[in-house]
Amino acid sequence: SQQGEEDPQALSIQEGENATMNCSYKTSINNLQWYRQNSGRGLVHLILIRSNEREKHSGRLRVTLDTSKKSSSLLITASRAADTASYFCATGEYGNKLVFGAGTILRVKS
Amino acid sequence: EAGVAQSPRYKIIEKRQSVAFWCNPISGHATLYWYQQILGQGPKLLIQFQNNGVVDDSQLPKDRFSAERLKGVDSTLKIQPAKLEDSAVYLCASRPGPGTEAFFGQGTRLTVV
Repeated sequence: SQQGEEDPQALSIQEGENATMNCSYKTSINNLQWYRQNSGRGLVHLILIRSNEREKHSGRLRVTLDTSKKSSSLLITASRAADTASYFCATGEYGNKLVFGAGTILRVKS
Repeated sequence: EAGVAQSPRYKIIEKRQSVAFWCNPISGHATLYWYQQILGQGPKLLIQFQNNGVVDDSQLPKDRFSAERLKGVDSTLKIQPAKLEDSAVYLCASRPGPGTEAFFGQGTRLTVV
């Protein structure tokens, strides 16, 4: 079963705009990760945030985690056409389990 | 370092036939996962290995799917007999341990006709 649920399911923005994707989950987690998947390719890890962290940055990416609300958000600033992809959150659960959500499809128009 | 290797990249079979997928994880990675990704959905965990032992196979349809990781290195996933609904991309991933990122292979796209 899917653990994380991403919102929105699809997002279309202009190049240069910011893109925000949200993820909600149900159980206790050890960490939460975000991955990107280009069409027809494998998943690529973007960023990991631990359960005792509230915010993390990596280049144009900003991730927040609210364990009290069981939610996370991924912000991509100054988006580029190359950011067009599907984005998935994955909850790192105890026992080293890694469970993915349904994903957000991001389209950046140039 | 070399990434996660999967083969074949594509496979087309008829329903009721059998098929096998192979995965070679990154050297030294103790944890190995097999995921099924149906078009338009997120990856669904089928089975998780820790070295050569099964940690979680709760979502593996055991009447038709089997997987093994002999010697705790590479792994095979088998479907026998295949059904139309098994058409999906089968992804293999590995990670060194808890709290680390997972590395994915390119996947095997299976089409059952």
